Amino acid sequence: QVQLQESGPGLVKPSETLSLTCTVSGGSIHSYYWSWIRQSPGKGLEWIGYIYYTGSTNYNPSLKSRVTMSVDTSKNQFSLKLSSVTAADTAVYHCARDPYGLWYFDYWGQGALVTVSS
Amino acid sequence: QSVLTQPPSASGTPGQRVTISCSGSSSNIGSNAVNWYQQLPGTAPKLLIYTNNQRPSGVPDRFSGSKSGTSASLAISGLQSEDEADYYCAAWDDSLNGPVVFGGGTKLTVL
Repeated sequence: QVQLQESGPGLVKPSETLSLTCTVSGGSIHSYYWSWIRQSPGKGLEWIGYIYYTGSTNYNPSLKSRVTMSVDTSKNQFSLKLSSVTAADTAVYHCARDPYGLWYFDYWGQGALVTVSS
Repeated sequence: QSVLTQPPSASGTPGQRVTISCSGSSSNIGSNAVNWYQQLPGTAPKLLIYTNNQRPSGVPDRFSGSKSGTSASLAISGLQSEDEADYYCAAWDDSLNGPVVFGGGTKLTVL
């Protein structure tokens, strides 16, 4: 059974960079698309972007200027960096798998709450 | 303000059939497949329906999806207490080469 687990700091200061890693277990990171999706009370679910196992990416245009995703196939991990954060970036951040690049997500991580506050 | 529009709440009694609507536009639902997710309290969303009307393995056939034009619906028949959850629709949006857009979610209460 594929499992995804997010990890990273739960508190980030305004203007700094949010960094999260998703570790994939029970399956390979190869041949799949891996997304980050965040969930906040004010904005609901918001897709941040995806990274393919080869390293190609596609980001939400509304966040594109601040997002960087990377993948480490040797560790079965992929990562998210979101720069210049504000309180509006406070959310639960989920990583998820898109099995065929058809824009649905069949496995999700439990989510990591990231609070932006000084 | 979500790109896809869902009613904020829905309710039904055990055994009833309930439908949840999802309204979009020509750039998302009108030209791309719709997917549905169920989120139980305190858990991650779970894929319920993909590509408009397909159920992943393990999802009961009480759940069904449909799409017509720029709208989609999720139907739950034989409602059970464990169906009480938040339900979200989602689709790719062709404008600006994406993104995936979600509905605001519908909280289903089993009375």
